[in-house]
Amino acid sequence: NAGVTQTPKFQVLKTGQSMTLQCAQDMNHEYMSWYRQDPGMGLRLIHYSVGAGITDQGEVPNGYNVSRSTTEDFPLRLLSAAPSQTSVYFCASSYRRLPNEQFFGPGTRLTVL
Amino acid sequence: AQSVTQLDSQVPVFEEAPVELRCNYSSSVSVYLFWYVQYPNQGLQLLLKYLSGSTLVKGINGFEAEFNKSQTSFHLRKPSVHISDTAEYFCAVSANLGGSEKLVFGKGTKLTVNP
Repeated sequence: NAGVTQTPKFQVLKTGQSMTLQCAQDMNHEYMSWYRQDPGMGLRLIHYSVGAGITDQGEVPNGYNVSRSTTEDFPLRLLSAAPSQTSVYFCASSYRRLPNEQFFGPGTRLTVL
Repeated sequence: AQSVTQLDSQVPVFEEAPVELRCNYSSSVSVYLFWYVQYPNQGLQLLLKYLSGSTLVKGINGFEAEFNKSQTSFHLRKPSVHISDTAEYFCAVSANLGGSEKLVFGKGTKLTVNP
């Protein structure tokens, strides 16, 4: 099993550009989520999904869109990148039941100039 | 809603010294508790978890944590640290809140082990 994979590992964007961060998992997990990690802020939940076709907002959803057409994939879209979105982004997945032990991808480091 | 407080943002220690990283949580219902570790430039991996049963939980790399319900704490300990334990450690909680599957994280504690 590859677990949770994320691409790309690094990305530099200019303000106003759009891009999609890819996330895939091969563990048949129903629950998938996106976090951003900023110094001193811990991990903050952006969006999450409890299954194909179902998504919901987390703590910091503004500026990000998600969709979930398959169980395996959960891409995160930045429609118009801003410098405030410079961060490290982590995707995670788990079974849709407590205790909700989440498995994390290796992260994408995004810089917006 | 539940919340997690990690009381120390940075903890410097010398190699072979003991260490305790503190975590307190708040929740109106029973909880499940986790410690994750993040080595430099890597993702998060599970260190240990408390689901039920014994309040002393042992994890990987010689770490252990004790669940204290009365003090709503889940402190992480290691009797003798190594240079390789230098990392950021995150405490997290999930709870049965009517179907919510969210995992709430603390802001992290950076452990630096010095020679």
